[in-house]
Amino acid sequence: AQKITQTQPGMFVQEKEAVTLDCTYDTSDPSYGLFWYKQPSSGEMIFLIYQGSYDQQNATEGRYSLNFQKARKSANLVISASQLGDSAMYFCAMRPTNAGGTSYGKLTFGQGTILTVHP
Amino acid sequence: NAGVTQTPKFQVLKTGQSMTLQCAQDMNHEYMSWYRQDPGMGLRLIHYSVGAGITDQGEVPNGYNVSRSTTEDFPLRLLSAAPSQTSVYFCASRTRDRGSSAFFGQGTRLTVV
Repeated sequence: AQKITQTQPGMFVQEKEAVTLDCTYDTSDPSYGLFWYKQPSSGEMIFLIYQGSYDQQNATEGRYSLNFQKARKSANLVISASQLGDSAMYFCAMRPTNAGGTSYGKLTFGQGTILTVHP
Repeated sequence: NAGVTQTPKFQVLKTGQSMTLQCAQDMNHEYMSWYRQDPGMGLRLIHYSVGAGITDQGEVPNGYNVSRSTTEDFPLRLLSAAPSQTSVYFCASRTRDRGSSAFFGQGTRLTVV
């Protein structure tokens, strides 16, 4: 079974500063992927960044980076130089990536963190 | 590109009524899924499919049926709606690639009264 925990219901950050959103996970799968999604107030789900469990380097996508610490089972999202448009709900998610496993198609989400960026 | 298209966007049902939420994707993705989003609980997987003719249950399948006769379409059926099924429903699709991300539809807001 997989579990994702996001312990920060809400976070506040000043515009242009960096912010870290926490995500811890638990899984028995030997190979897995971790994802972050953004959900603005309009409701759509926007993919931000992906980290594979066997990737040697932490993933980066523009202002987004993933601080992946496998031994601690954490996959925190770091947003640098926050912008007002970053205000949204952020979800951490994971799924197994060992093809053929019974859970291969199943993406499990955390509860989400609401980020508010102040001007 | 249309991506993942869900219809309708909003729906109000009476308890006991049935309906089908439609989901179509034009990206030739093998994998398709249905999620429901409730306040404070994130997204929970209802059913998913790894290809035409193949479906499996997710975390919260009770009260919902699915079938997948084509690669493009993955409808979600509510046989007898209950107030507990009031939620926002998302359909998603992705390729079978190891690190592929899911593409989500715009969501359907369903209210059961």
